Amino acid sequence: AQSVAQPEDQVNVAEGNPLTVKCTYSVSGNPYLFWYVQYPNRGLQFLLKYITGDNLVKGSYGFEAEFNKSQTSFHLKKPSALVSDSALYFCAVREANTGGFKTIFGAGTRLFVKA
Amino acid sequence: NAGVTQTPKFQVLKTGQSMTLQCAQDMNHNSMYWYRQDPGMGLRLIYYSASEGTTDKGEVPNGYNVSRLNKREFSLRLESAAPSQTSVYFCASRFPGQQETQYFGPGTRLLVL
Repeated sequence: AQSVAQPEDQVNVAEGNPLTVKCTYSVSGNPYLFWYVQYPNRGLQFLLKYITGDNLVKGSYGFEAEFNKSQTSFHLKKPSALVSDSALYFCAVREANTGGFKTIFGAGTRLFVKA
Repeated sequence: NAGVTQTPKFQVLKTGQSMTLQCAQDMNHNSMYWYRQDPGMGLRLIYYSASEGTTDKGEVPNGYNVSRLNKREFSLRLESAAPSQTSVYFCASRFPGQQETQYFGPGTRLLVL
């Protein structure tokens, strides 16, 4: 069965510092991995995805994520955090070649960036 | 493009009442989804529709029904609301292809008293 773990409920960083939001996953086959961001009272917005190829994926707003197959991780990173990055971040996994209609979401990690 | 729209934005129900949450997308997506979001639990799939005319159960379908009215619209019905259904409900849609991302609506906040 597919699963996603976001081990931190909350991450606090100072503006200008690098940030990392952690995600690990479990699937039987090859994974498709996604990061979404949710601002207050809004729906989820797509940030980036890993499908195949280069393990380092670049996305919107300066975010990037690194796929690590051996550690089954897909951590979200940004070199220099902004106060406006404060939001709820979700990691999600979909198992390749299964029809792809069921995406499993992590519980979410709340990011606070302090000025 | 309005993207994915949902109505209503907020609703208060009494236990046992029924209601329908509406969702529409104007991106010509084939598949549509209903999720609920609860604190500390992420998003859980209630039902999905792979294409017009088909619907399937997700992770937490009990107490809900859905209708894929046409390619654009996918509604979620609560026949007899329960306090456990207090949640934020999100509709999403997606292009064909399992590599594609989902596009989410703004959500419906439901309170069942």
